[in-house]
Amino acid sequence: AQRVTQPEKLLSVFKGAPVELKCNYSYSGSPELFWYVQYSRQRLQLLLRHISRESIKGFTADLNKGETSFHLKKPFAQEEDSAMYYCALSGAGGTSYGKLTFGQGTILTVHP
Amino acid sequence: DTGVSQDPRHKITKRGQNVTFRCDPISEHNRLYWYRQTLGQGPEFLTYFQNEAQLEKSRLLSDRFSAERPKGSFSTLEIQRTEQGDSAMYLCASSLAWGGNTIYFGEGSWLTVV
Repeated sequence: AQRVTQPEKLLSVFKGAPVELKCNYSYSGSPELFWYVQYSRQRLQLLLRHISRESIKGFTADLNKGETSFHLKKPFAQEEDSAMYYCALSGAGGTSYGKLTFGQGTILTVHP
Repeated sequence: DTGVSQDPRHKITKRGQNVTFRCDPISEHNRLYWYRQTLGQGPEFLTYFQNEAQLEKSRLLSDRFSAERPKGSFSTLEIQRTEQGDSAMYLCASSLAWGGNTIYFGEGSWLTVV
């Protein structure tokens, strides 16, 4: 069975501090990993995906298959980063598109 | 806003009543998904359509739940004989069948069963 674990429900940092949101997964095969973000009063939206290997809003995430982790990092947090963050996975391949398994989410609060 | 739209946004119903939610996907998207989210949890996959065909249903989708997408455009999710445990946010999302897994979510429909 596939599972995504986000061990921290709440994470608080000060502006300018580094931030790391943890995500571990279990999946038999080669998953695709994603981070979704939900800002206050907005809909859930894709932040980044591991296959893109890109940095979005200063965030990066590296897939570590050995540790089955996909932690989200940002070197200098900003107040506007305060939001709910979900890690999610899907299988690779056409029939798996959009069938996401989400973690429970981490609420990030960045204090001024 | 040309994103995924859902209606109604909030619904309060008495236990035992039937409720129906509607989702209008992004117009060119041929895949449509339904998810459910309860408080403190991440969204859980319920079912998805490619065009008008319902291709997969989660075990979470009991017999009281039925989803349709009759013309391959909008979709409806009906819950019959609602129970208090059905109280949740019902999220709709859409995507292209190709284009690699980027799905776009609607704002959700909150259901409260009293």
